[in-house]
Amino acid sequence: EAGVAQSPRYKIIEKRQSVAFWCNPISGHATLYWYQQILGQGPKLLIQFQNNGVVDDSQLPKDRFSAERLKGVDSTLKIQPAKLEDSAVYLCASSLVPRRDTYEQYFGPGTRLTVT
Amino acid sequence: RKEVEQDPGPFNVPEGATVAFNCTYSNSASQSFFWYRQDCRKEPKLLMSVYSSGNEDGRFTAQLNRASQYISLLIRDSKLSDSATYLCALMTTDSWGKFQFGAGTQVVVTP
Repeated sequence: EAGVAQSPRYKIIEKRQSVAFWCNPISGHATLYWYQQILGQGPKLLIQFQNNGVVDDSQLPKDRFSAERLKGVDSTLKIQPAKLEDSAVYLCASSLVPRRDTYEQYFGPGTRLTVT
Repeated sequence: RKEVEQDPGPFNVPEGATVAFNCTYSNSASQSFFWYRQDCRKEPKLLMSVYSSGNEDGRFTAQLNRASQYISLLIRDSKLSDSATYLCALMTTDSWGKFQFGAGTQVVVTP
């Protein structure tokens, strides 16, 4: 079974530039997540999609971050303009529709962003 | 206070020894708990889910103490390959499907 795919794997940009990340979840997974993981910290949820609708984006800095999941499959996360503090690994994860007695979230390899 | 707290470590463990560490949480509505393993520069991978009082999978045992609001992970007969960061995650009853992660506990198994 193919896992969660992400691209690019690495990106270096200057502050105030724009960047976009792409995620292709596991086939059939209705729920898709974007996380930000800063070095030494745990993943922090940025946005959660169920199919192509947003379930939770309360921690997404909407003045500079945007995300979409057209057609309920692939997703893109954009940062415009980037700041130094956006340097982190951006992880995409997907899962089947969560159930109370069984649940697993599968992570992609992440995109390591460095803002200089 | 952070919602999910973990001792960052590192826990230096001789090969073959047992190591245990905790994850404390502040939200009493926390319902489901997970331990993820994250290798350096890799993505988190699910190690174990805990939906009731505990779970055991081979050398790994997770115990949930709802009264004291913590979950522990115990690794027996540690292997060099167990060296990683162990992330605790939880979901609450009012935010199903949304994970909150701790910052992780680093374990280093030495020969």
